[in-house]
Amino acid sequence: DTEVTQTPKHLVMGMTNKKSLKCEQHMGHRAMYWYKQKAKKPPELMFVYSYEKLSINESVPSRFSPECPNSSLLNLHLHALQPEDSALYLCASSQGGGGSNTGELFFGEGSRLTVL
Amino acid sequence: AQKVTQAQTEISVVEKEDVTLDCVYETRDTTYYLFWYKQPPSGELVFLIRRNSFDEQNEISGRYSWNFQKSTSSFNFTITASQVVDSAVYFCALRKPGSARQLTFGSGTQLTVLP
Repeated sequence: DTEVTQTPKHLVMGMTNKKSLKCEQHMGHRAMYWYKQKAKKPPELMFVYSYEKLSINESVPSRFSPECPNSSLLNLHLHALQPEDSALYLCASSQGGGGSNTGELFFGEGSRLTVL
Repeated sequence: AQKVTQAQTEISVVEKEDVTLDCVYETRDTTYYLFWYKQPPSGELVFLIRRNSFDEQNEISGRYSWNFQKSTSSFNFTITASQVVDSAVYFCALRKPGSARQLTFGSGTQLTVLP
């Protein structure tokens, strides 16, 4: 069983909707990540939070808005998405943050998003 | 710049066959970490192994084994006596220590194990 929990597992939304993806981990990890994965492609990094602060934004469009309410939770708020944003969104966490971030990432099962 | 190449896009084997997934990497760093992840149809990326650049000792875990060779910049993964449950996409990845951004994935290898 994964120790990174993502909800919902599936989401269908229209281009005018506002929705959120949620991620939770209880491993005491201090770094959390959002990745986007299109079919038959490797994951692509979107955001990194280190010690609850946004440390990396890989030039992601503003229609994606991350939030880290506390060290265990990570949200991704979605608004005015496009059909090409349909993908698997993976949350991950790793021990340590910033310069001590050398460890493996633990991933959730992902949220499969379809934008109509 | 870092690069990870998984030249095998798809592999099919019959159950109980051994199969090796190739991974070749490029980096200018002297210290780095290598990983293998498994992604079954459910979507989750399952961590399999981490290797640091100073440890070339090969590793075996049950039916899984990994061969790390710095001389050829390769980190190959062998599954012995494959099973249908091994069917998944396998990703090799490279990470620069201290850099959250610098986790570079290969393009993945789709392994199908036929009964």
